[in-house]
Amino acid sequence: AQSVTQLDSHVSVSEGTPVLLRCNYSSSYSPSLFWYVQHPNKGLQLLLKYTSAATLVKGINGFEAEFKKSETSFHLTKPSAHMSDAAEYFCVVRGNNAGNMLTFGGGTRLMVKP
Amino acid sequence: NAGVTQTPKFRILKIGQSMTLQCTQDMNHNYMYWYRQDPGMGLKLIYYSVGAGITDKGEVPNGYNVSRSTTEDFPLRLELAAPSQTSVYFCASQGQGNEKLFFGSGTQLSVL
Repeated sequence: AQSVTQLDSHVSVSEGTPVLLRCNYSSSYSPSLFWYVQHPNKGLQLLLKYTSAATLVKGINGFEAEFKKSETSFHLTKPSAHMSDAAEYFCVVRGNNAGNMLTFGGGTRLMVKP
Repeated sequence: NAGVTQTPKFRILKIGQSMTLQCTQDMNHNYMYWYRQDPGMGLKLIYYSVGAGITDKGEVPNGYNVSRSTTEDFPLRLELAAPSQTSVYFCASQGQGNEKLFFGSGTQLSVL
């Protein structure tokens, strides 16, 4: 069994300040972890993924995430927020079974203030 | 390259009506999925398919049916629409051994 918990349903930052979106997971095996972003009225887009290689993963648009096994966390960060980063972000764990089933977190709405 | 195409984008149904959400992909992907997205709940897997002729239930299959007669198409059928099925539905596809999911743009469904 596996689960994903996004610790904040809403995060608000000012433009130019750092972004931290928190994600904790539980999994009975070595997981694959992902962050997806969903902009308003659009589909989901892959930001980055961790698949047991380097624990610090760099993604698109300046985002990165660090896999910490001891803390069962996969937090998403960005040094400096941009207005275009305002969106919904989903942390996802991949199942080790037929169909590669994914389990999604509840999502974090990122708001960026000017 | 169209990717994953979902139709319709919006639909309002009355309780008890039926409809089919269409999904097609042009990337020759074996894996296809249907998710529903409820506010604050993330995405829940309804059904998935690992290839033409093969489908299986996800987390929340009740009230839905699917078929996969071709590699390209993976329609989702609602037989007797209920208010609990009001949601945004996403179709996705994935190439075998490739972990990136490609999502459609979604279908917003309201059952009144």
